Amino acid sequence: DIQMTQSPSSLSASVGDRVTITCRASQSISRHLNWYQQKPGKAPSLLIYGASNLQRGVPSRFSGSGSGTDFTLTISGLQPEDFATYYCQQSYSTPMYTFGQGTTMEIK
Amino acid sequence: QVQLVQSGAEVKKPGASVKVSCKTSGYTFTYFAIHWVRQAPGHGLEWMGWINAGSGNTKYSLKFQDRLTISRDTSASTVYMELSSLIAEDTAVYYCAREDYRNEYNRFDPWGQGTLVTVSS
Repeated sequence: DIQMTQSPSSLSASVGDRVTITCRASQSISRHLNWYQQKPGKAPSLLIYGASNLQRGVPSRFSGSGSGTDFTLTISGLQPEDFATYYCQQSYSTPMYTFGQGTTMEIK
Repeated sequence: QVQLVQSGAEVKKPGASVKVSCKTSGYTFTYFAIHWVRQAPGHGLEWMGWINAGSGNTKYSLKFQDRLTISRDTSASTVYMELSSLIAEDTAVYYCAREDYRNEYNRFDPWGQGTLVTVSS
């Protein structure tokens, strides 16, 4: 199985900050990497697919990059509604699409 | 619009089975696969298994292989997840999610609202 490792596992930030979350795959997954946002008590929702493609309706302050084994999710200008947990997911190993352990973002 | 609506919360005793449904609408059911993902309290997302809604083919995580069954009813556009031999550690929110394969990269969108399964004696 492909293992996904996110860092950090948690972070504190302020409204307006620029933050970056990283995700590393245990083997090359090309650009088959997705990012999800989950708010407490809610289902995850898709933010970015294919490493850098913004899902329709997602604000442009979210961006993704990377290929191979190393990926990043960047939020430029944090908004209050962005404080949530973020998960990466590999979609290379069809259909066993494993997730990272999550990164919880809290208000500083 | 595309919607996945799951059945309601369940409380089960250890050793029992649970069957959760995921009713889909807003698209051609047989064109897209459905995955099941669970989330234990305070934990991350765990992929459980998948069904090709067209062919009925399934694949399960090795962790659940012996006690997980995913099925579908094409006439009802509904997918089912049945987990047997429940233990307390199976207490979790269970999600279904549609696999969108368009535009080259596969991803989960949308997700069902989640179903809380509580295993307790």
